[in-house]
Amino acid sequence: RKEVEQDPGPFNVPEGATVAFNCTYSNSASQSFFWYRQDCRKEPKLLMSVYSSGNEDGRFTAQLNRASQYISLLIRDSKLSDSATYLCVVKQDYKLSFGAGTTVTVRA
Amino acid sequence: DVKVTQSSRYLVKRTGEKVFLECVQDMDHENMFWYRQDPGLGLRLIYFSYDVKMKEKGDIPEGYSVSREKKERFSLILESASTNQTSMYLCASSLSSDSPWPQHFGDGTRLSIL
Repeated sequence: RKEVEQDPGPFNVPEGATVAFNCTYSNSASQSFFWYRQDCRKEPKLLMSVYSSGNEDGRFTAQLNRASQYISLLIRDSKLSDSATYLCVVKQDYKLSFGAGTTVTVRA
Repeated sequence: DVKVTQSSRYLVKRTGEKVFLECVQDMDHENMFWYRQDPGLGLRLIYFSYDVKMKEKGDIPEGYSVSREKKERFSLILESASTNQTSMYLCASSLSSDSPWPQHFGDGTRLSIL
């Protein structure tokens, strides 16, 4: 079983729509959680950390459910520039475990 | 701004060759990492280093070795390249284990083994 699982998508949404997706993780001892964004043929870049109480960064909202071991990302008022693959990342001690990514395509 | 530089964006080598991938970071980060990324599998950790001359195996170290002689430089070595090592290789660095741990990635090296 993969340590971090994501729906690969793609999620195809019109501009202005809201899109949300989850990831699940298998290790209950995981300590920290992140969403990274990766554009086609580019390196992953940190989008936001995910805190237990949930957190927002502009149009992006991340939630953590430790009991059910899942993390979610919601994007409001989608922009064309939001088109990317979103990687769910889970940390325990030194180690980061990456999901395979969820692809989001925002169309005009 | 953190800069992680990988020596090549694209590389083509032959089976059996010894291949060196170089990575340099300019922010005095303690930790450096090598991953490979394959479709549907996500990033998988090959090796990491938390200090000069220190190295630890990741999830898939077989067929690879690493070298960290200087803090800013972390090299990945394919001792005898094989076709199943064709992949995108990403180097990353981070400040320390105590930090919130954003990892900063290089642009990646797309390696093809023929």
